[in-house]
Amino acid sequence: DIQMTQSPSSLSASIGDRVTITCQASQDINTYLNWYQQRPGKAPNLLVYDATHLETGVPSRFSGSGSGTEFTLTISSLQPEDIATYYCQHYDNFPPFTFGPGTKVDIK
Amino acid sequence: QVQLVQSGAEMKKPGASVKVSCKAYGYIFTNNHMHWVRQAPGQGLVWMGIINPRGGATDYAQEFEGRVTMTRDTSTSTVFMELSSLRPEDTAVYYCACRGRFWGQGTLVTVSS
Repeated sequence: DIQMTQSPSSLSASIGDRVTITCQASQDINTYLNWYQQRPGKAPNLLVYDATHLETGVPSRFSGSGSGTEFTLTISSLQPEDIATYYCQHYDNFPPFTFGPGTKVDIK
Repeated sequence: QVQLVQSGAEMKKPGASVKVSCKAYGYIFTNNHMHWVRQAPGQGLVWMGIINPRGGATDYAQEFEGRVTMTRDTSTSTVFMELSSLRPEDTAVYYCACRGRFWGQGTLVTVSS
């Protein structure tokens, strides 16, 4: 099974800061990676699919990059509404489609 | 528009089973696989398994193999997730999800004696 790791597990940043979250897969997953945002008490919300494609309606300050085993989610200018936990998930050929452990983002 | 509507919260005793439903609206039900994901209080997302509504084929995470059963009813565009031999650590919100972009509202299952 493919294992997913994320770093950091949590971070505090100021409004307007650039925030970067990394996700690593235990083996090559090409670009079969989603990024989600989850606010407390809510279902996850898809931000990025296929590692780099921004989902319709997601603000352009979010971007995804990477392929193979190393991936990054970047928020170019942190906003108060971005306070949430962020998860990566692979969907390479075969299940299980494991999630990363999550990165909690809050305001400094 | 696409909507996934799940059944309501459940309270169960240890050893019992729970069956959660997820009714799909706004798209061709048999064209997209449905995933089940759970989230224990304060914890991360855990992928449980997937069902192909077209033929009913399933694939379960090893962690749940033997305790989980996913089924579907194409006449009502509904998928079901049944988890048996419940224990307190199964207390969680259970989500259905389609293509990563459409999620149900979640169903809280509480297991307590």
